[in-house]
Amino acid sequence: QKEVEQNSGPLSVPEGAIASLNCTYSDRGSQSFFWYRQYSGKSPELIMFIYSNGDKEDGRFTAQLNKASQYVSLLIRDSQPSDSATYLCAVRPGANSKLTFGKGITLSVRP
Amino acid sequence: DGGITQSPKYLFRKEGQNVTLSCEQNLNHDAMYWYRQDPGQGLRLIYYSQIVNDFQKGDIAEGYSVSREKKESFPLTVTSAQKNPTAFYLCASSSRSGADTQYFGPGTRLTVL
Repeated sequence: QKEVEQNSGPLSVPEGAIASLNCTYSDRGSQSFFWYRQYSGKSPELIMFIYSNGDKEDGRFTAQLNKASQYVSLLIRDSQPSDSATYLCAVRPGANSKLTFGKGITLSVRP
Repeated sequence: DGGITQSPKYLFRKEGQNVTLSCEQNLNHDAMYWYRQDPGQGLRLIYYSQIVNDFQKGDIAEGYSVSREKKESFPLTVTSAQKNPTAFYLCASSSRSGADTQYFGPGTRLTVL
């Protein structure tokens, strides 16, 4: 059973701080990694995807991938109250494989 | 205005009834998916379809059925055989057979009375 684990939450950070969200996966051959944000009662929306080792930046968001250690993380700089949501990590083992989702971690940004 | 639509937004079902959830996309995506989300849980795959007239079971297909007669549409039927159907149901699509990013519709919240 391919697994995606997200560290238990909830996570609370003050406004303006860096929020660090982590995700580990069990399938060493996984190729694609996705972060989705889900507001309460809404559907997930894609924030970022990453395929290669290293960092990928998009505005205040940075995805970090380390395939050797089998983890992917999402950093949110200058956190805002509007970033308060549940963040879902998703992993695709191969090019035509199904996504496997973690259970998500809830982030709360305190004003 | 491209996107994925799901209807209804809220659905109430009596025990023993079958209900059908609608999912339509105008993104010209080949692949479509149905997920179920329970409180505090991640998304679990019910069924997926990579091409018209073909679909495969996901991890929790029991008690559900689907059809894919048109590229744009992938309806999900929750049958009376599904013992615990109360959940948030999400439809998603991607441009190739699972190789591309999945985008989600707004969801249908099903409650069994």
